[in-house]
Amino acid sequence: QQQVKQSPQSLIVQKGGISIINCAYENTAFDYFPWYQQFPGKGPALLIAIRPDVSEKKEGRFTISFNKSAKQFSLHIMDSQPGDSATYFCAAVYSGGYQKVTFGTGTKLQVIP
Amino acid sequence: DTAVSQTPKYLVTQMGNDKSIKCEQNLGHDTMYWYKQDSKKFLKIMFSYNNKELIINETVPNRFSPKSPDKAHLNLHINSLELGDSAVYFCASSQVRDGYGYTFGSGTRLTVV
Repeated sequence: QQQVKQSPQSLIVQKGGISIINCAYENTAFDYFPWYQQFPGKGPALLIAIRPDVSEKKEGRFTISFNKSAKQFSLHIMDSQPGDSATYFCAAVYSGGYQKVTFGTGTKLQVIP
Repeated sequence: DTAVSQTPKYLVTQMGNDKSIKCEQNLGHDTMYWYKQDSKKFLKIMFSYNNKELIINETVPNRFSPKSPDKAHLNLHINSLELGDSAVYFCASSQVRDGYGYTFGSGTRLTVV
């Protein structure tokens, strides 16, 4: 059962543009929503995260927008750079138990000069 | 110092062999995980240990057996390797309930020939 749906599967953006990746979840018990960035040959690394009591969180060029009623959240990368080219995973966590993380299927982002 | 280290980084072996992957974390986290990433980049949890106790045991063939000698180490032993076991295996750790997400190792690329 895919509890976190992520789109698009791949994304090509020009340098300086805005990259947008969307995720939707089903389980309303999730209470923590991190995004991970993975470069080739490396493990995923925590990029930014949000809790559902906040509608937006910004860290530098990265912003999470969260819509609790629609059960959707998205990652916006402003002024996208070639160094942002990576695979991005959204995730959802229920922290009431042992913090089992459910990952989305990943989005491969390519930022072209 | 590497926070979560896995060995080996690459593993090429023949079908039917038995192999182990080791993982160590120096973050003082109380929970460790094994994830399998397939060729489509999908991350699937396999096992999780909290303070040496198995807490997540997903539907995984019983040829896979995790072992946690202490809370800083989590090893994965695989018996009778099959072609379908070829993937990248990631170890991760977290401090349950701190909301800071996972720290992943750099992965072990297993190729079964």
